[in-house]
Amino acid sequence: DAGVIQSPRHEVTEMGQEVTLRCKPISGHNSLFWYRQTMMRGLELLIYFNNNVPIDDSGMPEDRFSAKMPNASFSTLKIQPSEPRDSAVYFCASSLYSRAVTGELFFGEGSRLTVL
Amino acid sequence: TQLLEQSPQFLSIQEGENLTVYCNSSSVFSSLQWYRQEPGEGPVLLVTVVTGGEVKKLKRLTFQFGDARKDSSLHITAAQPGDTGLYLCAGAASNDYKLSFGAGTTVTVRA
Repeated sequence: DAGVIQSPRHEVTEMGQEVTLRCKPISGHNSLFWYRQTMMRGLELLIYFNNNVPIDDSGMPEDRFSAKMPNASFSTLKIQPSEPRDSAVYFCASSLYSRAVTGELFFGEGSRLTVL
Repeated sequence: TQLLEQSPQFLSIQEGENLTVYCNSSSVFSSLQWYRQEPGEGPVLLVTVVTGGEVKKLKRLTFQFGDARKDSSLHITAAQPGDTGLYLCAGAASNDYKLSFGAGTTVTVRA
């Protein structure tokens, strides 16, 4: 299996622009997570999908952030409008199980976002 | 506020030395996972511990889960440059989908 695939790997944009990050989870995994990683705050969970349904979006910073999972093999995280403080590495991760106790998270390589 | 506190934050040692990384919490976890993240990549699972007092070994890496399931440690024997990376602990409560990650320990092993 190819693992979790994220695109783009790097994105540099100007403040106010729309940013769309994409993720293809491992086939057969029913749980998908979006994380943000910064030096200051470490890994933060943004949103969790189970069977394509958003279960917990309490980590989404504000209305500028939105995420969708139209089918089992694709998810997007959108930031509109982007701000410099959104600069971070965004990870998508998938898991075979819905319970973290038993589930290993498989992470993509991340999308490094820089907002100027 | 991090539910899981990792220490030290940074660790730089010479090849061949031993090191220990700690992961502590005031909460009880049903399981605890350790991940390693190399620069430019996502975290990769090293081990999961689920029983209080459990010890697991992965080659030169030894993982221990505290008796009360509130803390864990990772010990590396005879560290090698390939052990360099960010080590993250992550805890899961029973029936929860979420993992709570620590801030991580950056380990650098000098040749």
